[in-house]
Amino acid sequence: SYELTQPPSVSVSPGQTASITCSADKLGDKYTSWYHQKPGQSPVLVIYEDTKRPSGIPERFSGSNSGNTATLTISGTQAMDEADYYCQAWDSRTYVFGTGTKVTVL
Amino acid sequence: EVQLVESGGGLVQSGGSLRLSCAASGFTFSNYWMNWVRQAPGKGLEWVANIKQDGSEKLYVDSVKGRFTISRDNAKNSVYLQMNSLRVEDTAVYYCAREIVQHFEYWGQGTLVTVSS
Repeated sequence: SYELTQPPSVSVSPGQTASITCSADKLGDKYTSWYHQKPGQSPVLVIYEDTKRPSGIPERFSGSNSGNTATLTISGTQAMDEADYYCQAWDSRTYVFGTGTKVTVL
Repeated sequence: EVQLVESGGGLVQSGGSLRLSCAASGFTFSNYWMNWVRQAPGKGLEWVANIKQDGSEKLYVDSVKGRFTISRDNAKNSVYLQMNSLRVEDTAVYYCAREIVQHFEYWGQGTLVTVSS
């Protein structure tokens, strides 16, 4: 089965840039989406089709996808960005989520 | 405003059954694939199933095939998940989600299913 691998945790200082990777075989050939989830809340879409931001998502969120790795970048990270982040892709008639990354803003 | 409201969760014994419902509003329900995604306590997200706009196509994660059935009623703007032969490992918050172009635009608040041994 297809697996999306993320680092368990990423720490970042306020105002700095956080990068979260999502790795899988030939992931660059697929669309990758990203969601964040705060404790006790439902997931929220922050990036879709590799690079697009839904309306209402701040410009500091951006995405890229090439080769075997998709990356979510948070520029000028704010305390409110502290959350769990999940990547997601479609493979062989199945949706797959990444293992999740806890972003801590120190 | 798009709204997805799940209901039907609760406590059930292993081997039992439960039917989840998701009531949609704020959009033309019959135009979209709909999905169920779950999250076990303290764990990550797992896609469970989806259903095409007219109900003619349904897909499932391997772990629920033969036990869970997704269905929809476009007249009632609702999608359902019938869960049979429940196992302890099915314990999770179950989210309803609207799908478009291989991603999930909108999510409900979730409903908790607890399967006891």
